[in-house]
Amino acid sequence: GEDVEQSLFLSVREGDSSVINCTYTDSSSTYLYWYKQEPGAGLQLLTYIFSNMDMKQDQRLTVLLNKKDKHLSLRIADTQTGDSAIYFCADQNTGNQFYFGTGTSLTVIP
Amino acid sequence: DAMVIQNPRYQVTQFGKPVTLSCSQTLNHNVMYWYQQKSSQAPKLLFHYYDKDFNNEADTPDNFQSRRPNTSFCFLDIRSPGLGDAAMYLCATNTGTSGSGAQYFGPGTRLTVL
Repeated sequence: GEDVEQSLFLSVREGDSSVINCTYTDSSSTYLYWYKQEPGAGLQLLTYIFSNMDMKQDQRLTVLLNKKDKHLSLRIADTQTGDSAIYFCADQNTGNQFYFGTGTSLTVIP
Repeated sequence: DAMVIQNPRYQVTQFGKPVTLSCSQTLNHNVMYWYQQKSSQAPKLLFHYYDKDFNNEADTPDNFQSRRPNTSFCFLDIRSPGLGDAAMYLCATNTGTSGSGAQYFGPGTRLTVL
């Protein structure tokens, strides 16, 4: 499978912005996704971006994609305690396969 | 309404005793996936079905098998569970058509091997 990497931990104060980064190696990515996982639960789709786009904004979420560097980021504005979770990026290739990053554990400090 | 359902949510089995995990979907999606997720790790793709076509990942152990008797259901069979197979098993679906083919995940089944 492809390699998708993320930093493991991030702590931010409530109300600040969070930026979670992801790098991938797949040169045939079609879409890239961000998922949120709370303890003991499945993965919840947050947002996605088509591989030909540079940016996508969805309410408090902003996704930036640098296709040349194969770098994806998720910015959460006005981070709340309910945003504390593990965030996974994933890339989808042309074969309908999805490869997940290692996950970033976001802790929001009140 | 639940769209991807996994049963049971918690499964305990004994070392070497075959176990089957179940997944069903109400989305009528073409593709169904099984992932293994160990603690603090990323979900690891085991295999997926595109309709009836089975696609195995190269590094999925032979101990893991899958069946998809119809569009709605997909099963994960672990023939002889070892202690290392204890994990969360996630089922997901995808339309399989071009366009944003986001995956929809079930809540997972946590497998314990005694």
